[in-house]
Amino acid sequence: KNEVEQSPQNLTAQEGEFITINCSYSVGISALHWLQQHPGGGIVSLFMLSSGKKKHGRLIATINIQEKHSSLHITASHPRDSAVYICAVSGSARQLTFGSGTQLTVLP
Amino acid sequence: DADVTQTPRNRITKTGKRIMLECSQTKGHDRMYWYRQDPGLGLQLIYYSFDVKDINKGEISDGYSVSRQAQAKFSLSLESAIPNQTALYFCATSRTSGNEQFFGPGTRLTVL
Repeated sequence: KNEVEQSPQNLTAQEGEFITINCSYSVGISALHWLQQHPGGGIVSLFMLSSGKKKHGRLIATINIQEKHSSLHITASHPRDSAVYICAVSGSARQLTFGSGTQLTVLP
Repeated sequence: DADVTQTPRNRITKTGKRIMLECSQTKGHDRMYWYRQDPGLGLQLIYYSFDVKDINKGEISDGYSVSRQAQAKFSLSLESAIPNQTALYFCATSRTSGNEQFFGPGTRLTVL
C-alpha cells in the first residue's frame, strides 16, 4: 500500500464547478504539501500545512490530522486550472513522499 | 528572482552512454534533491544532499550517481544509460529549517 493515496486519479469538470481532490496518508507527518504540475512539466508549491485550513484565491486546502486526510478544493474552476495536482507529505527528516497525482481537466 | 535551473531541458541518448544532468540554484538553500517522475507514478527520490559534504541515497539510487560541486550545484549522472531510465527528472531545493521544496523545470530524458 502506498504511503500517500490520492483520489480521483483523473477528474474532468465543467468551467465554474466546485472541485475536490482528496489525499490520504498512512504515516506520521510534519507537514502536507499540495503541488501543481502544469502540462509543460514545471512543479510549483500551492500549500504547505500541518493543521486546519489555508486559502489562496480560489484554492482551499484542509487537513485532518486525526483522520490522516487532506482535501484540495477549487472554487469556480477555470480551464487554466487544468493541471496535475500532487499531494506530498514530509516527515521528521523533511523528505517528501509523493502521491501519484490527480489529472484535472476543466472544460470551457 | 532566485531560481532553480536544470540543463539540459531535453536529451535523447542511446543505451550505454554516460549522461550528466545539471542543477543550479540561486536561492542560497543548503539542501538539494534529485527526483524522477514516471507516468502514473509519484516522484521518486534518487539522491539528496543536505550540504556539500553530505550526500545520501534515496529510494531508487541504483544506476545513478551524484556530485555536489558547490552549495549551488548538484549534478546527476547516469553511468551507463538504459531504456528504463527514460523519465522526467526534477531537481529541488529547500532550506535546512524548512519543509517546502522548490523545483526546477525538469529534464526530459529519453534513452533509446
